[in-house]
Amino acid sequence: EAGVVQSPRYKIIEKKQPVAFWCNPISGHNTLYWYLQNLGQGPELLIRYENEEAVDDSQLPKDRFSAERLKGVDSTLKIQPAELGDSAVYLCASSLTLRDPQYFGPGTRLTVL
Amino acid sequence: QQQVKQSPQSLIVQKGGISIINCAYENTAFDYFPWYQQFPGKGPALLIAIRPDVSEKKEGRFTISFNKSAKQFSLHIMDSQPGDSATYFCAAARSDKIIFGKGTRLHILP
Repeated sequence: EAGVVQSPRYKIIEKKQPVAFWCNPISGHNTLYWYLQNLGQGPELLIRYENEEAVDDSQLPKDRFSAERLKGVDSTLKIQPAELGDSAVYLCASSLTLRDPQYFGPGTRLTVL
Repeated sequence: QQQVKQSPQSLIVQKGGISIINCAYENTAFDYFPWYQQFPGKGPALLIAIRPDVSEKKEGRFTISFNKSAKQFSLHIMDSQPGDSATYFCAAARSDKIIFGKGTRLHILP
């Protein structure tokens, strides 16, 4: 069975440009997460979906970040405009429920110049 | 109340030794405690997890010890191998939240 798929794996953009990340979770997993991981740090939750509903977006900087999960499957995370401080790895994960094992994708490493 | 404190930040262990990583949480509502292993360039992968109704869980060389009264849990890696060199994250979860520790970079000397 395929794991969590993310694309692109790497992205380099200039500040103030928009960027989007895509995630395809494991089939049947209702819960989808987007995390931000800075170098040497643990994952920090940005947003959690239960099916197509964003149930926890309290840590998502809504002035520049947006996310959607159409039809409760794939998800897209967007940053517009990107800032230098957004350089990090963006991880997507999925699970059956919040208290079940999470399966992470390989992440997208974003570099903002 | 929402923090998960993980220590040490980094750890060097001789091959064959025991690696021990500790985590402490504050919110008693947490009821699921997983450990993740992450290699460079990869996403974290679930290693082992425990729920608070047991004090210990063992899977192969990996053991979680859980102390509910102290709100602490730890990961023990027995007979540590160079292939165990990675970053380890603990986490605490409840029905509406999951919090990760900041990670421990483990290096096993050959």
